[in-house]
Parts: sequence; C-alpha cells; structure tokens
Amino acid sequence: QVQLQESGPGLVKPSETLSLICSVSGGSISSYYWSWIRQPPGKGLEWIGHIDNSGSTNYNPSLKSRVTISVDRPKNQFSLKLSSVTAADTAVYYCARRIPFSYGLEVWGQGTTVTVSS
Amino acid sequence: EIVLTQSPGTLSLSPGERATLSCRASQSVSSSYLIWYQQKPGQAPRLLIYGASTRATGIPDRFSGSGSGTDFTLTISGLEPEDFAVYYCQQYGISPTFGGGTKVEIK
Repeated sequence: QVQLQESGPGLVKPSETLSLICSVSGGSISSYYWSWIRQPPGKGLEWIGHIDNSGSTNYNPSLKSRVTISVDRPKNQFSLKLSSVTAADTAVYYCARRIPFSYGLEVWGQGTTVTVSS
Repeated sequence: EIVLTQSPGTLSLSPGERATLSCRASQSVSSSYLIWYQQKPGQAPRLLIYGASTRATGIPDRFSGSGSGTDFTLTISGLEPEDFAVYYCQQYGISPTFGGGTKVEIK
C-alpha cells in the first residue's frame, strides 16, 4: 500500500524559503492529486494547496503568492516551497493523497515539524 | 472563502454514548465536497467520511455523516475508547478549507 514520507529542514530562518519533499512509496505518483496541509502548534488544519496529475496547481489564496508545489515523476516525489517565511509559518507540515474520482485526503504522511526562527 | 464553523468546540461524553458533531458552512457546499477527519494527538488526520455520507475504507459503521447545503453532521452512534479525538470537517471546493475542529473527550 502507498506510503508518504515528508522530509526537509526542521529549522528555517525568517525571510528564507521553506522546502519540503514528500516521497511516495508503494505506488506511482501518476494519476492522483497530491496535497500539502499544515497545522500550527495547538491549532487546526490549514490546506496549503495541491497538484493534479496534469501538473496543474491550486493554492490557498492566503498563501498563493509564496507557495509553489511541483512533482518530480522520475523520483516519485512532490515538493513544497514556501518563500519569505515568518514565525507564523511554524507548523507540522503534512503531505497527502486525494481519493481518486472524489474528494477527501485518504493517505497522509506522518508530518514533519518546521520551526521558523533565527 | 467558505468558512466552516464546527460546534461544539468540546464534547464531553462517556463511552457508549452517542456523539453528534455539527459543521456549518458560510455558504452552500456541494455534498460531494464535504469531508470528515479524525485526529489523535501526535498523529496525522484520518479520513472518516467523504461525500458527506460515504465511509472511507475500514471505517466502522458507528460513524455516519449526513447533511446538505450549509449544515452537516457527523454522528458516532456509540463511542468506543479509541473514538476520543479531535474531528475536523473540510470542504473541498475551489478553495478548500477546514473547520476549527471538535474535541470529543471522555467525561
């Protein structure tokens, strides 16, 4: 069965770019929608954006100017870049796969904590 | 942006009791786009219900979803010890959003 694993720096300095990778194992990255979601400490979930199987993206309007999601098919992974980070971007970041032909995130990574601090 | 308001914020119940969680949208949401998740401390969310009422794979039938338009409900017919957690609704329209969550705690 498919598994997702987030990776990337746990500490990012303010104003720099946060970069995370989600590695997909046990299945192909093709033919699915892939999402990023985050959760600040002690708070609720925030959808960041997704990329579909054609490479089209959809981003949270509140983050759109700073977010880029892309897919690397040969490596079977997708990535998140969030620029100009501040302390407000400190969160657990999750990658997830959407249900085929429907809506809802059925497979999730375990999450990775990113702290923005100098 | 569609705002989802979940109530109550916290629900204190005993095992075996029925839990009724509400998710109200600031504007009408297609039932196809309404989703429920369960999250336990230190874990990723788990998909429970999609399409407002369809249980995800492996979800016990004590979980049920209903509703339409702006009012949706997640019902847990008899709480098991493993059901005490935080529950989130999500709408997956053009700009997906999550509700603030309802914590179901042991009374």
